[in-house]
Amino acid sequence: QVQLVQSGSELKKPGASVKVSCKASGYTFTTYAMNWVRQAPGQGLEWMGWINTNTGNPTYAQGFTGRFVFSLDTSVSTAYLQISSLKAEDTAVYYCARAPPTGVLDYWGQGTLVTVSS
Amino acid sequence: EIVLTQSPGTLSLSPGERATLSCRASQSVSRGYLAWYQQKPGQAPRLLIYGASSRATGIPDRFSGSGSGTDFTLTISRLEPEDFAVYYCHQYGDSPDTFGQGTKLEIK
Repeated sequence: QVQLVQSGSELKKPGASVKVSCKASGYTFTTYAMNWVRQAPGQGLEWMGWINTNTGNPTYAQGFTGRFVFSLDTSVSTAYLQISSLKAEDTAVYYCARAPPTGVLDYWGQGTLVTVSS
Repeated sequence: EIVLTQSPGTLSLSPGERATLSCRASQSVSRGYLAWYQQKPGQAPRLLIYGASSRATGIPDRFSGSGSGTDFTLTISRLEPEDFAVYYCHQYGDSPDTFGQGTKLEIK
């Protein structure tokens, strides 16, 4: 069965960096894109962008350029989200979500809470 | 970018009743690429409907989606206790993807 398992919660200080992992199983990793979605506390869903798991080419939504980096390690079927120069407003749950070529988000990771606080 | 507006913001109904949730797009959704997700507290969203009207694997047939162009509807024919949650629409036809702000379905 398809599973996306994300790394655990993180508590970081402002200015630090964090790397969230998303390990896929139950399907061929390189046949589906991986998307990232943010959900701030008590708020809705915000699409951050996606990475082509075949080519490694990332696409970032406006507002997620510069400090946000999507990457892959296809040898272990894992996608990564790295956020640098963390700010308090980066505090959120970050989800990875698989997408077939149509782009619908058909399977989601369980989410990773990143808390940025001094 | 396409703005999705969901209504109502909160819907208060009783088990057994019919729920109708709306999602209106600021411009036509390409190829009808509109999805609905259910999210319960502390859980990840779950795909219910894709392509405006196709049910995802394992989704009960009391959930149905309809619409095209700019107006879409999620209908839950007879509410079960486990259906009370927040529902989001999502368009994935044009980049960037966008989500509606959500409709909270609560027990009356």
